[in-house]
Amino acid sequence: GENVEQHPSTLSVQEGDSAVIKCTYSDSASNYFPWYKQELGKGPQLIIDIRSNVGEKKDQRIAVTLNKTAKHFSLHITETQPEDSAVYFCAASINSGYALNFGKGTSLLVTP
Amino acid sequence: NAGVMQNPRHLVRRRGQEARLRCSPMKGHSHVYWYRQLPEEGLKFMVYLQKENIIDESGMPKERFSAEFPKEGPSILRIQQVVRGDSAAYFCASSPRSAEGPQQTQYFGPGTRLLVL
Repeated sequence: GENVEQHPSTLSVQEGDSAVIKCTYSDSASNYFPWYKQELGKGPQLIIDIRSNVGEKKDQRIAVTLNKTAKHFSLHITETQPEDSAVYFCAASINSGYALNFGKGTSLLVTP
Repeated sequence: NAGVMQNPRHLVRRRGQEARLRCSPMKGHSHVYWYRQLPEEGLKFMVYLQKENIIDESGMPKERFSAEFPKEGPSILRIQQVVRGDSAAYFCASSPRSAEGPQQTQYFGPGTRLLVL
């Protein structure tokens, strides 16, 4: 089946530093790429998404970039804070439909 | 404005029993998705439903699993004759509909953690 690869699996940064998480996908028909934050014992929370007709999108400290030619997209978190600590998942739409393929997640730890 | 609601939050079943997981989408949302998450794994798509319709069940195991979204009431994911390998977190998501058709943005519930003894 189509895959979404996510790296790194764990990431530790100091408060105030930036964090970057990268994903690649294989389905050339994918056209929607959301990012979710999951805290322990909770459901995934949508933090930002991007569609294939856009190369970059920013929302305060969070930005996402998409390179459709290379089939990869990245999440950038600037000025990290301890409350950013969580597991982050990237996802890509299956074909151009509504179901999502998820990466395996990145466990981000922000130390004070 | 309540988010996606799932119950129960935790469910313990013995092998061979049935598990019923319920999902109420956000108000105004008519599209429901079910995903399964194994420990330290990403979410795996199972099924996509609209009211009274299964749109895509390509991720559902062929046996023992079924899903419905009736005209009235929550969506139900049903697992018959559970086995230990069914132990996982099951998440439901919902999405709204726009004038152009269903939107892709999905909002997730808190999940049901199923443990099969």
